Amino acid sequence: DAGVIQSPRHEVTEMGQEVTLRCKPISGHDYLFWYRQTMMRGLELLIYFNNNVPIDDSGMPEDRFSAKMPNASFSTLKIQPSEPRDSAVYFCASSAGWHTEAFFGQGTRLTVV
Amino acid sequence: KQEVTQIPAALSVPEGENLVLNCSFTDSAIYNLQWFRQDPGKGLTSLLLIQSSQREQTSGRLNASLDKSSGRSTLYIAASQPGDSATYLCAVMNYGGSQGNLIFGKGTKLSVKP
Repeated sequence: DAGVIQSPRHEVTEMGQEVTLRCKPISGHDYLFWYRQTMMRGLELLIYFNNNVPIDDSGMPEDRFSAKMPNASFSTLKIQPSEPRDSAVYFCASSAGWHTEAFFGQGTRLTVV
Repeated sequence: KQEVTQIPAALSVPEGENLVLNCSFTDSAIYNLQWFRQDPGKGLTSLLLIQSSQREQTSGRLNASLDKSSGRSTLYIAASQPGDSATYLCAVMNYGGSQGNLIFGKGTKLSVKP
């Protein structure tokens, strides 16, 4: 397996635009996690899915953020409209179970100008 | 709410030195603890995982210890090399809850000078 694959690796967009980040988890993993990393706050969990169902989205900062997992091999994180304070690195991770090792993607570096 | 703290935030050492990175957590009811490495522009790579029932784990020049009762873990790196330069993240895994399964510290940025 190629590991967790995220796209794009880098995204630069203007304030107010819609941004969509994509993630392909490792095949067979039942859990998918979206994290955001900033210098000030470190790594924070935004939302996670179990068997494609969103379980907890309490980490999603605002209604501008939404995430979907239409099938077991694909998830998206959408920001609409984007703001400069959304600039961060967004990571996707997957794991086979709740207490098993999580594998992280390379991340998407988002810059909103 | 679980909180994870890593000290120091940054560390610079000469090559060959042995060093210790510290991690503390506020709630001792953890399932396990993991140490990750993050290189610039890259994702996270798991280094060591210590189950709550274990005291330490070793992999090559790395040794991680866990004292659950005091809420502390250390990562010991022996004979440091320039290739060890990276950010090291500590994360505890809770049994459950809205924080998700992994709660991370902010990391220690290590620089090993040749």
